[in-house]
Order: sequence, then structure tokens, then C-alpha cells
Amino acid sequence: DIQMTQSPSSLSASVGGRVTITCRASQSISSYLNWYQQKPGKAPKLLIYAASSLQSGVPSRFSGSGSGTDFTLTINSLQPEDFATYSCQQSYSTLWTFGQGTKVEIK
Amino acid sequence: QVQLQESGPGLVKPSETLSLTCTVSGGSISDYSWSWIRQPPGKGLEWIGYIYYSGSTNYSPSLKSRVTMSLDTSKNQFSLKLKSVTAADTAVYYCARVTSVSSWYYFDYWGQGTLVTVSS
Repeated sequence: DIQMTQSPSSLSASVGGRVTITCRASQSISSYLNWYQQKPGKAPKLLIYAASSLQSGVPSRFSGSGSGTDFTLTINSLQPEDFATYSCQQSYSTLWTFGQGTKVEIK
Repeated sequence: QVQLQESGPGLVKPSETLSLTCTVSGGSISDYSWSWIRQPPGKGLEWIGYIYYSGSTNYSPSLKSRVTMSLDTSKNQFSLKLKSVTAADTAVYYCARVTSVSSWYYFDYWGQGTLVTVSS
């Protein structure tokens, strides 16, 4: 299996600030990397697919980058509704896996 | 607007079989592939497997020996069976649609999730 490791596991940030979350794959996955946002008690929501493509309807303050083994999700100008848990997911192999999640909390 | 809704027992006894159904509305189940994902309380997401529109399947190695997924195109539903459950299978179970763009696959629509507790 391809292991996905996110860092940090949690972070605190201020409204209006900038957040960067990292996802590392245990082997190269090209750009087969997706990002999801999940709020408590809710289903995950797709933000980014193919490492850097913004899903329709997702605000442009969200962006993704990276290829190979190292990927980044950046949130600019953090809004109150952005406090949530973010998870990466690879679809490079036929056996898909998620990262453990990064919780973004209010400072 | 595509909507997915999970249904099934919220309580399953140890060693028995967990059975869930996902009903899809707003689109045909035959046009996409579909997946099940679970999340134990307070933990991260775990991919269980997916079923192609053709009916072929792919399962997580850690669950493969106990999982069966199937499609019912007449009802626009797909289902999950997980046999010989233990307390470790207690989780919120989500169904999701798999969309592909070129060779990139992702989950773009999700059900609300259903909590399944394994307990006697």
C-alpha cells in the first residue's frame, strides 16, 4: 500500500492568516493527489483534485501544489468557515489511501 | 443535483455481517463508479473499496477477505457487506461517487454517513 503522511496533525491559525498543510506519499504518485475538507459531523468535501485543480465552487483562496511524493494545500486569507479537518488521498495505485488528517483550529 | 443516502442497521453484533445500502438520486448509477469509505470515531478516513459501473470491484487489502460490494441498477443503489465484524469495525460509513477526469479519480459526491456500532 502507498502510505500518506500529513503534517502537522493539527495547527492553530488566525482569521485572515495563511495555512500550509503538507502531505507526503511513501512512493511517487505523480499528481494523483486529492484534498478534502471535513467539518464535525459532516461528510468530507472535495477541494482539490489532481494535486492542483480546484473543484468547481471551491473558493480560490484554496490551492494545491506538488508532484511525486510531496504535496501542499495552502489556504490564503483564512475564513471562519475554513476551520475544519483536511485530508489528502492518493489515487495513483488501484488501492486508494488517505492521510490521517490535519485539524485547523482557531488561534 | 446528485444525492447519496446510506441506509442500514446502526447496531451489529460481533461476528455478524454489516450490510449497508447507498441510494443514488439525481443521476444514473450506471454512469459512474462508486466507493465506500469509513471513519472510526475520532480517527481518519479509511477507504474500503470501489465498484465500477461494470460491476467489477477493488477492495482494500486489509478488508478484502471480508468485504463484498454490489450494484443494483434497477434500484439505482449499491451495497456493502462486511462479514465477521468486531468492535474495530465501529465507524461512520460513507458512500461516495467516483469521478474520473482523464486518469485522475476522486470522490466528488458523498452521502451524509451512517454510524454503525458493533456491540453485543
